[in-house]
Amino acid sequence: KAGVTQTPRYLIKTRGQQVTLSCSPISGHRSVSWYQQTPGQGLQFLFEYFSETQRNKGNFPGRFSGRQFSNSRSEMNVSTLELGDSALYLCASSLEINQPQHFGDGTRLSIL
Amino acid sequence: DQQVKQNSPSLSVQEGRISILNCDYTNSMFDYFLWYKKYPAEGPTFLISISSIKDKNEDGRFTVFLNKSAKHLSLHIVPSQPGDSAVYFCAASVDGLTFGKGTHLIIQP
Repeated sequence: KAGVTQTPRYLIKTRGQQVTLSCSPISGHRSVSWYQQTPGQGLQFLFEYFSETQRNKGNFPGRFSGRQFSNSRSEMNVSTLELGDSALYLCASSLEINQPQHFGDGTRLSIL
Repeated sequence: DQQVKQNSPSLSVQEGRISILNCDYTNSMFDYFLWYKKYPAEGPTFLISISSIKDKNEDGRFTVFLNKSAKHLSLHIVPSQPGDSAVYFCAASVDGLTFGKGTHLIIQP
C-alpha cells in the first residue's frame, strides 16, 4: 500500500515569492493535516482537512493556506515568503478524524 | 507556551534493557495521545496511541502509560534494540496534534 506522497521533496524560493506544496494521502484516508518542522520550534500544526473542509487551523498567519480536493489530495500554499518560512513541511493522513496519522517524508523548503 | 513537554532531549540505554521515554502535558482537554518515531530525512512513523479513557496500551515491545491526574505519559520499550535508536515524539490531540520537541534515544550495544 502506497504511503503518503509529498511533492516536491526539495524547493528553493526567494523572499516575496509564493509556493504550493502537494500531498497525496494513503488511499482511503479522508483526513489530511499539515505541519511545519523547524529546529527551534519543533513540529507545529498548520491545518487539518476532512472531506474538503478545513476542520482546524493552527496559529499561523493568513499567508499560509490550504485546500483539499474531492479525491482527498491536498495542497498548501504560502504567499509572500519570508526567510523564517524555511522549514520541513510535513503532510499526514488518517482514515478518519482522531485516528493515528501517517506522515509523508516532507518537502524541504529553503528561502533565500 | 509548550502544552506538550519532553524534558529529556536525549537518552542512552543499553541494548536489551528497558527504555522509558517521558512526556508531560498541560491541557486537560487533550483526549488522545500518540507516540511517533523519526529517523533523519524521513517523516515521523506512528508507533502506538492511547485514548484518555485508558491508562495503558500495549503493542509488542511498546507500552504506553497514561496518568491523567499527573498529566503524564510514558513509553516503555522492552527489550531495547539497536534499530530503536531514533528521535521519539509524543503528541496529544484535541484540535490537531500538538507535539513535544522530541527525545533522541540512543541504544548502546
